[in-house]
Formats: sequence, C-alpha cells, structure tokens
Amino acid sequence: DAEITQSPRHKITETGRQVTLACHQTWNHNNMFWYRQDLGHGLRLIHYSYGVQDTNKGEVSDGYSVSRSNTEDLPLTLESAASSQTSVYFCASSEGGTNEKLFFGSGTQLSVL
Amino acid sequence: KNQVEQSPQSLIILEGKNCTLQCNYTVSPFSNLRWYKQDTGRGPVSLTIMTFSENTKSNGRYTATLDADTKQSSLHITASQLSDSASYICVGQGSYIPTFGRGTSLIVHP
Repeated sequence: DAEITQSPRHKITETGRQVTLACHQTWNHNNMFWYRQDLGHGLRLIHYSYGVQDTNKGEVSDGYSVSRSNTEDLPLTLESAASSQTSVYFCASSEGGTNEKLFFGSGTQLSVL
Repeated sequence: KNQVEQSPQSLIILEGKNCTLQCNYTVSPFSNLRWYKQDTGRGPVSLTIMTFSENTKSNGRYTATLDADTKQSSLHITASQLSDSASYICVGQGSYIPTFGRGTSLIVHP
C-alpha cells in the first residue's frame, strides 16, 4: 500500500546545529507540505512544493528550507536550530486539484535544547 | 485573509453521548471543507469532505453539515465511543493551499 513516512520519529538536538527531517511518500503525489504543530496554534504551514524543483514558503518559513529533487521526497532542514523550533513536525502529500485530500505522516517530535 | 475558527476548543463527554463540533470559515474563493480526525501521536486523517452544493453527509457515526450562506459547518458524533477521543480539525479549501482551524480536542470518558 502507498504511504507517507517520516523519520526520525523523535529527535533531540542542540541549539545552533543543523537538522534535517525526512519525508518520503509512495503515492506519487505532486504536492507535498511541511507543517509544525504547537499547542494553541494548530497546524502551521512551513514550506510546500507542487512538483520537482518547485518550493514555496508558507506562513512560518523563517529558519527552515526544503528541496525537491524527486517526486517522492521533501526533506526539511533547520539551518541553525533554535529552541523556538521545538515542535511536532508533520509532512503531508496530495494529488492536487480543488478537492485535494491531504495524507499525513505520523510526525517527528523535535526537541531543541 | 482566509480564516477557519473552531469551537469549542475542548470538550469532555461521557461514552454513549452525542456531541457537535462547530466550524466557521472565511475562505474565498470557496471550494470545499474537510474534517480531519487526529489521534494522539498520529497525523490527521480525513473524515469527510463537504463541497459547496452539499448540506449533509454521513460517515458512520459522523455527520457533517455545511451552510454555505452562513459559512458554517458542524460535525456531529452520535453514540460516542472511547476511540472518538481525538482532535478534530476543520480545513477550508479555496484555490490554493488549505486553511486549517486550530482544532477541537474531544475526550470521551467511560
């Protein structure tokens, strides 16, 4: 069955370090998204991609970057981790179109100490 | 700016009881509205989609309604079960990226 997987599930890092969170989907979806989820804020969009070589900033993109070199993967990089980036990160994908349903990964719990 | 507001923020009910979650949206242009269920420690999963022309749609014990005139949607859960304990997220879809509500946290007690 097609799926979307995130790794690692849990990550502890130190302030200032570079961190990369992986997201891999086998749906062959063109659209991929990264969200962070914090208490009181719900899911907030970090970056998204509509296809290979396409990336776009979301509402909370500062301090994050993504690259899309193939259809299946959209890694999220924190260039210099900050304590404010401690959060749960979710990757999602969709086929596209106006009725698009998002398929989410199980999330990565990131703690920046 | 597109917005989705959900109420209540949290809700506690007894097993077997019914409940209704509310969603007010301002999404333009409006295409559809989805309800997602998010279990603890998991990603959200789509429950149902409501398009502009639909008023009511059921998915088992879940019934969603949409009033396009007042820009309101509700999710009614009948005969709640312990497994219904989760966060329920309303998402409005226009032409571009979806707009998420902050969710309603539902706890079902035995």
